[in-house]
Amino acid sequence: DSGVTQTPKHLITATGQRVTLRCSPRSGDLSVYWYQQSLDQGLQFLIQYYNGEERAKGNILERFSAQQFPDLHSELNLSSLELGDSALYFCASSVKGTANYNEQFFGPGTRLTVL
Amino acid sequence: ELKVEQNPLFLSMQEGKNYTIYCNYSTTSDRLYWYRQDPGKSLESLFVLLSNGAVKQEGRLMASLDTKARLSTLHITAAVHDLSATYFCAVDGMDSNYQLIWGAGTKLIIKP
Repeated sequence: DSGVTQTPKHLITATGQRVTLRCSPRSGDLSVYWYQQSLDQGLQFLIQYYNGEERAKGNILERFSAQQFPDLHSELNLSSLELGDSALYFCASSVKGTANYNEQFFGPGTRLTVL
Repeated sequence: ELKVEQNPLFLSMQEGKNYTIYCNYSTTSDRLYWYRQDPGKSLESLFVLLSNGAVKQEGRLMASLDTKARLSTLHITAAVHDLSATYFCAVDGMDSNYQLIWGAGTKLIIKP
């Protein structure tokens, strides 16, 4: 158990809908990262937040947005869903700022299925 | 731009054999990470390598880093079925603004 929690574990929805994925980082970690992993694919970095502020953006679609709240949990919002958005979505956290390396700890993931 | 290349991408081997997975990266960095992912599961951190010549071992897995060659290896000794998984390497550094840049992953199948 990495200490990173994600909810829900599974989500099934229809095209055009909007969903919210939630992540709580490890205690003490200030950075949260969101990744998308499609079937048998590598990891696509979406976005990073550090202590409530957006730090870096990857290949995140305009239909997707995220935020990190004062208690450091984060939410990833996916809207106007398409079939191709079906994937595993991972949240990871790292200390970032007090350690001199960037080891990330991953949550269990949310499996999103868009029908 | 920092790029990371793993090879092979797929490896099927027999139990008891030794093999090595390679991770090459394109620009200067001395920070490399290895992760394991079981099918449908999350990623688990295996090794963090932070300097040239760093070597870490856990059970039948050993990872090393050669920053001059921009190469890390993950060596599997006397493979067992339980090591079947996908292994990812990742690198960060100034050229990536300290974001992890991920390899494509090596899917390892170990046949009993």
